[in-house]
Amino acid sequence: ETGVTQTPRHLVMGMTNKKSLKCEQHLGHNAMYWYKQSAKKPLELMFVYNFKEQTENNSVPSRFSPECPNSSHLFLHLHTLQPEDSALYLCASSPGLAIEQYFGPGTRLTVT
Amino acid sequence: QKEVEQDPGPLSVPEGAIVSLNCTYSNSAFQYFMWYRQYSRKGPELLMYTYSSGNKEDGRFTAQVDKSSKYISLFIRDSQPSDSATYLCAMTTPGGATNKLIFGTGTLLAVQP
Repeated sequence: ETGVTQTPRHLVMGMTNKKSLKCEQHLGHNAMYWYKQSAKKPLELMFVYNFKEQTENNSVPSRFSPECPNSSHLFLHLHTLQPEDSALYLCASSPGLAIEQYFGPGTRLTVT
Repeated sequence: QKEVEQDPGPLSVPEGAIVSLNCTYSNSAFQYFMWYRQYSRKGPELLMYTYSSGNKEDGRFTAQVDKSSKYISLFIRDSQPSDSATYLCAMTTPGGATNKLIFGTGTLLAVQP
């Protein structure tokens, strides 16, 4: 595996379900990010981790819970989501808090 | 007013045309300006970035920044069908605890063979 990988690529969940998104980077980077991409809206930064420490929480609702066990892995735990949370969730990494961020292919999430 | 404005398109051009993609912004503190390309069902990939004003060229791609007008452009010469994608501009201020990128909504480009 190379670059940034994300699983699953597609996820359909009900509003009462609990699920997790996984991201893994194989680039030796220290910083990892979660973004939300909705149709006709700019990418929204959700969370930033640098050396496993959370450095940014961009006013994200508590139904989204990130976890970063090490510099290579990042999770986004989801529970009691709303239909408006349906979007493409992108993970990215960078060497330190650099402007050059490398993105994964995303998880297309549909909340029914 | 949005911090970054970008025409969503779609923009359709014939193969070989010169393409001009643009963004305007309101925050004069932005210093780094980036262009990402996103193919359908893929994540964005960084094409190029510039610091402050000026031009930067990479192959068929040229990025231009005019800070006095708060306007950035990406030019694609000799456009190819493989250039068909959504192009996102992004910008940030240097330093701080995080380099928070502010993105435009993206312009969908279709290059017709």
